[in-house]
Amino acid sequence: DIHMTQTPSSLSASVGDRVTITCQASQAIASFLNWYQQKPGEAPNLLISDASDLETGVPSRFSGRGFGTTFTLTITSLQPEDSATYFCQQHYKFPLTFGPGTKVHVK
Amino acid sequence: QVQLVESGGDVVLPERSLRLSCVASGFSFSSYAMHWVRQAPGKGLEWVAFIWSDGTNEHYADSVQGRFSVSRDNSKSALYLQMSSLRAEDTAVYYCARESCGGDCYQDFDLWGQGTLVTVSS
Repeated sequence: DIHMTQTPSSLSASVGDRVTITCQASQAIASFLNWYQQKPGEAPNLLISDASDLETGVPSRFSGRGFGTTFTLTITSLQPEDSATYFCQQHYKFPLTFGPGTKVHVK
Repeated sequence: QVQLVESGGDVVLPERSLRLSCVASGFSFSSYAMHWVRQAPGKGLEWVAFIWSDGTNEHYADSVQGRFSVSRDNSKSALYLQMSSLRAEDTAVYYCARESCGGDCYQDFDLWGQGTLVTVSS
C-alpha cells in the first residue's frame, strides 16, 4: 500500500499569511494526488486534483504542485473561512489512501 | 439538485451485519463509478470500497475485504454497502462519494454525501 504523510499536523496562522502544507507518498505516484478540505461537521470537499488542477469554484488563493513523491498545497492570503482540515489522497493505485490531515487554524 | 444522501447508519453489536444505502439525484448515476469512504470519530479519512458504473468491478480496502460488499442498483440510483462481521474499529461516519472521471476509472471524489454514522458497540 502507498503510505501518505503530511506536515505539519497542525498550524496556526494569521489572516493574510501564506501557508504551505506538504504531503509525501511512500513511493512515486506521478501527479496522481488530490487535496480535500474538510470543515467540522461537514463532508470533505475536493480542492485540487492531479496535483495542481484547481476545481471549479475553488478560490485562486489555493494552489498545488508536485510530482513523484512530494507535493504541496499553498494558500496565499489566508482567510478566516480557510479554517479546516486538509487531506491529501493518492489515486495512483488501489487501495486509495489519504494522508492523516493538517488542521489549519486562522488566528 | 445534485446530491447524495446516505442512510442506514445505526448502533449495532459486534459481529452483526448492517446495510448502508446512498441515493443519488440530479445527475446520471449510471454513468459514474462510486466509492465509500469512512471517518472514525475525530480521525482521518479512510477509503473503503469502489464499484464501477455498471457494477462489474469492485475494489476494497484490506481492512474490510471479505466482510464488506459494495453493490448498486442503477434503476434506483442507489449505492449500497453490505457490512458483516462488524468490529468496534468499523465505527465511523460512512460517506458515499462520486468518482469524477466516469464509469470505469478512478481519480477523485468530486461529490460527497453528508454521511451516516455506524457505531459498533456491545
